[in-house]
Amino acid sequence: EVQLLESAGGLVQPGGSLRVSCAASGFTFTTYAMSWVRQAPGKGLEWVSAISAPGFNTFYADSVKGRFTVSRDNSQNTLYLQMNSLRVEDTAVYYCARIGGSSNTDYWGQGSLVTVSS
Amino acid sequence: QPALTQSSSASASLGSSVKLTCTLSSGHSTYIIAWHQQQPGKAPRFLMKLEGSGTYNRGSGVPDRFSGSSSGTDRYLTISNLQSEDEADYYCETWDSYTRVFGTGTKVTVL
Repeated sequence: EVQLLESAGGLVQPGGSLRVSCAASGFTFTTYAMSWVRQAPGKGLEWVSAISAPGFNTFYADSVKGRFTVSRDNSQNTLYLQMNSLRVEDTAVYYCARIGGSSNTDYWGQGSLVTVSS
Repeated sequence: QPALTQSSSASASLGSSVKLTCTLSSGHSTYIIAWHQQQPGKAPRFLMKLEGSGTYNRGSGVPDRFSGSSSGTDRYLTISNLQSEDEADYYCETWDSYTRVFGTGTKVTVL
């Protein structure tokens, strides 16, 4: 069974940093691209970032480019999102998601709540 | 970069059918999309991948009450024999290489 388990999020002040992780199991992690998608309170889904299966290629939404960094440790089956220079508008539930063989998102994690507030 | 348009809400009676629309921006009629369901307070769940031809592939465990179809730049999700647990937000997704785009979501209410 495919499982994606995000770390607990947290409360951080504006301008601060936070790293969230996603532990994958039930599939061959090294052969799948992965992404992060967020959802602000009461809002829709917003794609944040993606990373290729080997981890050599990374992609970002304009709203986070230069502030967020996606990475993965294929030896540990873990995906990361390092978030720096956080803003109030980055407050959201962050979902880890698998990009399937047909390029669509086919599995989602349970989400990690990140709150940016003073 | 394609864009996706969804109506904000839809409603139908228990046991009836509802058809949701996701419209691709002009010039993107060949794009494949995916439909996702998000029940209140839960993470999204992949429902199906839907091609421009109308061919669709449901995700693991998705009931056959959920079906897809296409016409031009429109991609449809039909939910038949509507159940109370189908009350949820439904999002369409498309992609250009690794970059993905989501529609704004349609809230389905079961009457």
